[in-house]
Amino acid sequence: QKEVEQNSGPLSVPEGAIASLNCTYSDRGSQSFFWYRQYSGKSPELIMFIYSNGDKEDGRFTAQLNKASQYVSLLIRDSQPSDSATYLCAVKGWYGGSQGNLIFGKGTKLSVKP
Amino acid sequence: NAGVMQNPRHLVRRRGQEARLRCSPMKGHSHVYWYRQLPEEGLKFMVYLQKENIIDESGMPKERFSAEFPKEGPSILRIQQVVRGDSAAYFCASSRMGLGVETQYFGPGTRLLVL
Repeated sequence: QKEVEQNSGPLSVPEGAIASLNCTYSDRGSQSFFWYRQYSGKSPELIMFIYSNGDKEDGRFTAQLNKASQYVSLLIRDSQPSDSATYLCAVKGWYGGSQGNLIFGKGTKLSVKP
Repeated sequence: NAGVMQNPRHLVRRRGQEARLRCSPMKGHSHVYWYRQLPEEGLKFMVYLQKENIIDESGMPKERFSAEFPKEGPSILRIQQVVRGDSAAYFCASSRMGLGVETQYFGPGTRLLVL
């Protein structure tokens, strides 16, 4: 059973701080990793993906991947109240091609306090 | 540049009725995925389709649920004889065919309520 684990939170950070969201996965064959943001009552919105070990930065967001530890994280710098949402970690395995379904964690609820 | 479209956005059915959920992928996308999100639960994969083909239906319940993606028109997720446990948000995602990391973009979802 392939699993993706996230701390459900809520994670509360003050405005302007760094929010750190973590995710572990069980399948060593997983190839690519995604972070989605989901506001209450809305659909998931892709933030970024990563597939190589190390860091990947996109604006205020940094994704970090460590395949040896089966760990992926998302850092949000200069957190804003508008970042308050549930953050979903998703993992995709290797299906002999680039396509395939995503396996999601249950999400971490982030609250950024003004 | 329209995103993934789903309709209806909200659907109310009584137990035993049929529910039909529609999904039109983004322009240029030929892969469609259906996911279900139960209240307070994570997103769960149901089925993966390309035009006229079901590629992976390992997440689909064996009974009452079916999906199709015809050559023309939207993808349809059909739930027969709905039960209260089918109440959930159903999301469709689409991606384009190609090499490299494939990213899936989600539609707004259909919220199904079974009375």
